[in-house]
Amino acid sequence: SQTIHQWPATLVQPVGSPLSLECTVEGTSNPNLYWYRQAAGRGLQLLFYSVGIGQISSEVPQNLSASRPQDRQFILSSKKLLLSDSGFYLCACTGDTTDTQYFGPGTRLTVL
Amino acid sequence: AQTVTQSQPEMSVQEAETVTLSCTYDTSENNYYLFWYKQPPSRQMILVIRQEAYKQQNATENRFSVNFQKAAKSFSLKISDSQLGDTAMYFCAFMKYSNDYKLSFGAGTTVTVRA
Repeated sequence: SQTIHQWPATLVQPVGSPLSLECTVEGTSNPNLYWYRQAAGRGLQLLFYSVGIGQISSEVPQNLSASRPQDRQFILSSKKLLLSDSGFYLCACTGDTTDTQYFGPGTRLTVL
Repeated sequence: AQTVTQSQPEMSVQEAETVTLSCTYDTSENNYYLFWYKQPPSRQMILVIRQEAYKQQNATENRFSVNFQKAAKSFSLKISDSQLGDTAMYFCAFMKYSNDYKLSFGAGTTVTVRA
C-alpha cells in the first residue's frame, strides 16, 4: 500500500518570502498526485493535480505553482508568500486502486 | 460541476450510541464513486468508506456503514457503537469516472463523541 510523506510538517514564513513544500510517495507507481489547501475548520480546496511527470493542472488561479520532477514527487512553490497563503496543505495520491485518493499528514503553513 | 452538500455542521453523540451523517450530491453522471473521509484533530485525512455507484449493496467497514440512495442522490454515513476516537470532522466526497480522479468535497460535519 502507498505511503505519503510531506515535508516540512510545520512552517512559519514572513510575507514575501519563497515557499517550497514537498510531497513524496512510496509503495505505488504512476500515481495521480494532488495538492489541497484547507483553512481552519473548513473544507478542502483542490489547488493542483498531476496525472504524470511534468503534467500539472491548476484548479484555482493564485500565487502558487506546482511541479512534478519525478514520478512520485510533487512540489508546491511560491516566489512571494501572501498572508492569504496561510493554511493547512495536504498532498494526496491515487493508489493501486487508482479511483481512490489517499492523503499525507499535511503541512501547517503560517505566513506572518 | 458536482456539488456535495453536508447539511449538519456539527453533531454530538453519546459513547456507544449511533449517529448518522447526511450527504447529498448533485450530478448528471451515471457512473461515479462516493467516499467518506475522517479528519481527526491531527488533521490527517483518513478514508472511512467507499461506494461505487453501480453497486446497489451498501458498503460497510466494521462500525461504519452507508445508506446509498442513487435516485435521491443521497449518501449517509452511520457510525454504530460510537467511540471517543470517532471524534473528528467527517467529509463526504464525490468522484466521477475520469482519468484525473478529482474529488469534490462537502463542507464537513464535526462529530463529537461524549463519554
